[in-house]
Amino acid sequence: DSGVTQTPKHLITATGQRVTLRCSPRSGDLSVYWYQQSLDQGLQFLIQYYNGEERAKGNILERFSAQQFPDLHSELNLSSLELGDSALYFCASSVEGRGPETQYFGPGTRLLVL
Amino acid sequence: AQKITQTQPGMFVQEKEAVTLDCTYDTSDQSYGLFWYKQPSSGEMIFLIYQGSYDEQNATEGRYSLNFQKARKSANLVISASQLGDSAMYFCAMREENSGGSNYKLTFGKGTLLTVNP
Repeated sequence: DSGVTQTPKHLITATGQRVTLRCSPRSGDLSVYWYQQSLDQGLQFLIQYYNGEERAKGNILERFSAQQFPDLHSELNLSSLELGDSALYFCASSVEGRGPETQYFGPGTRLLVL
Repeated sequence: AQKITQTQPGMFVQEKEAVTLDCTYDTSDQSYGLFWYKQPSSGEMIFLIYQGSYDEQNATEGRYSLNFQKARKSANLVISASQLGDSAMYFCAMREENSGGSNYKLTFGKGTLLTVNP
């Protein structure tokens, strides 16, 4: 158990819908990262937050957004969902989001868009 | 060009034997970190081992060791005394410290599926 929690574990929804994925980092970690794992794209970095502020952006679609709250949990919002958004979404956390730090991953949320 | 290359889509090993999973990387940064993660069929990503670019010794964690050859830009994972529970997908990843250190994302390879045979 990495100490990172993600809810829900599984999500099935329809095209055009909006969903919210939730992540709680390990105790003491200030930085949260979101990754998407799909069969065709592999594991890709989406976005990073540090202590409530966006720090870095990767291949995140405009239909997707995220935020980190004062209690440090983070949410990833996916809207106008398409079939191709079906993937495993991971949240990871690290202490400060810089330097020689390991990122610890949550169990992931498996999203299926029908 | 790919930043992380794992050339072995699949590997087979007999239980109790050692296996090496290959990883080569491409970066112009002087400071970077290399990671290996294990993803069993259940889907979670489990951190195994870390090697910093300035570390002179190869990293070891229990049955896992990292064969780090900086000049060749390779960071191979060695699993000794394989167990049935080692059957999983293994990912090599790199963290570069660039752009003033503002982006510490991990870049992953495509993974190697390891199967341990009894």
